Amino acid sequence: AQTVTQSQPEMSVQEAETVTLSCTYDTSESDYYLFWYKQPPSRQMILVIRQEAYKQQNATENRFSVNFQKAAKSFSLKISDSQLGDAAMYFCAYRRWAGGTSYGKLTFGQGTILTVHP
Amino acid sequence: EAQVTQNPRYLITVTGKKLTVTCSQNMNHEYMSWYRQDPGLGLRQIYYSMNVEVTDKGDVPEGYKVSRKEKRNFPLILESPSPNQTSLYFCASHSDRSSYEQYFGPGTRLTVT
Repeated sequence: AQTVTQSQPEMSVQEAETVTLSCTYDTSESDYYLFWYKQPPSRQMILVIRQEAYKQQNATENRFSVNFQKAAKSFSLKISDSQLGDAAMYFCAYRRWAGGTSYGKLTFGQGTILTVHP
Repeated sequence: EAQVTQNPRYLITVTGKKLTVTCSQNMNHEYMSWYRQDPGLGLRQIYYSMNVEVTDKGDVPEGYKVSRKEKRNFPLILESPSPNQTSLYFCASHSDRSSYEQYFGPGTRLTVT
């Protein structure tokens, strides 16, 4: 079974600085997706960024980028120029590629609470 | 607007009193799931459905039931709730096996006393 581990329960950053959230996962499959979701106090789950395992290039979405190390099974999220609105719980998630019996199941990590200090 | 809706958003109930949390999506998605979120555990899948009348267990199905009689609706049923089912519940949907985008509902905060 796949597992996702976020070893940082809490992180903090100063506004305008950069912070990196860590995520490791375990899988025996070669094709899969990895995601970072943001959950603000409103509790809504918001997709921040995704990475397809077959792509060597790291995904980037504006101030958000990932460092995907497939061999090490590591998937960290870097937030640049942090803003007060970035404060939230962040979840790393794994999903196998199409097919099989998982039917799009997301396996989540434990979450990291990010605090942004003005 | 494409969305997943859940009702109620908040619910406080007592042990053993049957309840249903509704979930509806307006995107004609085939796949729907229920997750529960607990501190330190992240989100875990309870049940999922691949289409009408096709459902299967996720990682933590004990104490829950689901049904999928219409494509847009996927209610979560707790026939005899217990305090350990106090949690935050999310419904999610996506269009097909290869679609990476999952749409989440706003969440239902359930407290069982």
